[in-house]
Amino acid sequence: NAGVTQTPKFRVLKTGQSMTLLCAQDMNHEYMYWYRQDPGMGLRLIHYSVGEGTTAKGEVPDGYNVSRLKKQNFLLGLESAAPSQTSVYFCASTRRDMGRETQYFGPGTRLLVL
Amino acid sequence: LAKTTQPISMDSYEGQEVNITCSHNNIATNDYITWYQQFPSQGPRFIIQGYKTKVTNEVASLFIPADRKSSTLSLPRVSLSDTAVYYCLVGDENAGNNRKLIWGLGTSLAVNP
Repeated sequence: NAGVTQTPKFRVLKTGQSMTLLCAQDMNHEYMYWYRQDPGMGLRLIHYSVGEGTTAKGEVPDGYNVSRLKKQNFLLGLESAAPSQTSVYFCASTRRDMGRETQYFGPGTRLLVL
Repeated sequence: LAKTTQPISMDSYEGQEVNITCSHNNIATNDYITWYQQFPSQGPRFIIQGYKTKVTNEVASLFIPADRKSSTLSLPRVSLSDTAVYYCLVGDENAGNNRKLIWGLGTSLAVNP
């Protein structure tokens, strides 16, 4: 039982390059989230999914796309990376019980855009 | 939209009780209050969650007054390993496709020997 895994752990991109971050969970959760965390900004929700085949925008969705083709995987894509997207990206898989949520986070992906 | 405010940092010593208060004046009727702990280079980890009054588990207690405009995380007898950033999260867990999850900026707790 690995919980939530993220790949890659670290990546350096040049401005304009594209990449995909992968989040995988083995807990059979329906809800999954992508966050970015920047110094002094806390966690900000980028996109989320409430089930296989569904996605929705969060607080800061511009410049990112997501897909949830399989229940266990939630992909975050950057089509044309910009220096402003330098950040630490966290994925969370969410257990829902009686209307309450508990989020389980992955270890994060550190992205540097030059 | 509920906004949360926490102290930026706190200092304590081993063995002391630490109380961290989060203000959420605009909390909505359906919002739950959840606290997470984050160590450097790791993702946040769930500590405790509540809706009203008091909740206690094996690691912490959460106190929520009747008006629910604030909440206090209480860590009994902290140790050096409790040095971390603590986040208060207020969100409407029933918002369905219109998720509203507002994270505070976190409180950096330093526990000294």
